[in-house]
Amino acid sequence: AQTVTQSQPEMSVQEAETVTLSCTYDTSENNYYLFWYKQPPSRQMILVIRQEAYKQQNATENRFSVNFQKAAKSFSLKISDSQLGDTAMYFCAFMNPLTYNNNDMRFGAGTRLTVKP
Amino acid sequence: KAGVTQTPRYLIKTRGQQVTLSCSPISGHRSVSWYQQTPGQGLQFLFEYFSETQRNKGNFPGRFSGRQFSNSRSEMNVSTLELGDSALYLCASSPAGTGPYEQYFGPGTRLTVT
Repeated sequence: AQTVTQSQPEMSVQEAETVTLSCTYDTSENNYYLFWYKQPPSRQMILVIRQEAYKQQNATENRFSVNFQKAAKSFSLKISDSQLGDTAMYFCAFMNPLTYNNNDMRFGAGTRLTVKP
Repeated sequence: KAGVTQTPRYLIKTRGQQVTLSCSPISGHRSVSWYQQTPGQGLQFLFEYFSETQRNKGNFPGRFSGRQFSNSRSEMNVSTLELGDSALYLCASSPAGTGPYEQYFGPGTRLTVT
């Protein structure tokens, strides 16, 4: 079974600084998909960034980038130039290609990020 | 395009009762997934429906069930409610076709069982 681990329950960062959220996963598959989702307080969960395991290049979306280390099964999220609006719960998620047509996405426990002014 | 909508947003029920939650996916999305979110267990996959068929089911008791209608709207039902069923229930939709499309989440229904 695939598991996703986020070892940092809470983190904080000063506005404009950079923060990295950690995520590790366990799978025996070679091809899979990884995601970071953001859930702001009392707001809907939205996709931040996704990474396809067969792509070696790390995904980037504006201030958000990932460090994907396939051999280490690590998928960390780096937020540059942190903004107050980045305050949210961040979930790392894994999708198994054997079940991707079934949209069975496995989530980590989440990291609560607070951006301080 | 309107986003994923869930009704009701908040619900208070008593132990032993049953409850039905509704989810309307983004127009054109045929896959609807349901998740339970609690502080202790995080986000857990309940089930997924595609074209009115349940394709996958998480590790939840049979008290949790769902269905999908021909317009892709989905409902989930929890019978004989227990205190531990108190949670935020999230619905997510994604487009049809192959490939792991990203999921678009609704605002959730917060269920409180007393």
